[in-house]
Amino acid sequence: GENVEQHPSTLSVQEGDSAVIKCTYSDSASNYFPWYKQELGKRPQLIIDIRSNVGEKKDQRIAVTLNKTAKHFSLHITETQPEDSAVYFCAATVDSNYQLIWGAGTKLIIKP
Amino acid sequence: GAVVSQHPSWVICKSGTSVKIECRSLDFQATTMFWYRQFPKQSLMLMATSNEGSKATYEQGVEKDKFLINHASLTLSTLTVTSAHPEDSSFYICSVAQPQHFGDGTRLSIL
Repeated sequence: GENVEQHPSTLSVQEGDSAVIKCTYSDSASNYFPWYKQELGKRPQLIIDIRSNVGEKKDQRIAVTLNKTAKHFSLHITETQPEDSAVYFCAATVDSNYQLIWGAGTKLIIKP
Repeated sequence: GAVVSQHPSWVICKSGTSVKIECRSLDFQATTMFWYRQFPKQSLMLMATSNEGSKATYEQGVEKDKFLINHASLTLSTLTVTSAHPEDSSFYICSVAQPQHFGDGTRLSIL
């Protein structure tokens, strides 16, 4: 079955710098890749997603890139702000029921 | 996106108690809902897929007799943790739709 690996587990960046989180997946049939942000004690919130027919998607300071050949996708956050501090999860789906396979999460720390 | 309401948000109860958690889809007719469990500093673990009008599909290792799921309507799914014990203490969270939108979660603490 599908397996999603996420790196790094913790990422500390200076406020204003960029942050990049990477995920790899194993099943080439996966066709939908969402990214979620979870603040402590709160629900995961969808921040951006990408489908396999697109190589890149951008929404203001957040972007996601997908390399289907290498089976990896990345989250890019530019001009980081303190409110970006949270745990970020990537996920991939392999079937029409959209049962997500989750990465282990990345704790992003924005240093003032 | 879909708006999901989950109740209660926090439960503290004695060992042996059964606890029911409700997940409501407020603006989306959800034939499928997902129930997750999340331990501190860990990723979400899918427990089961709740199917409206039929039996839930449980993930390997999840006891269906302990975690009872009922999805009687397109807007409501319930998860009942039967005879809860301290090891069942966790953050339980439901989701609906695609892309998945989550309820606020239920923090369950068993004394």
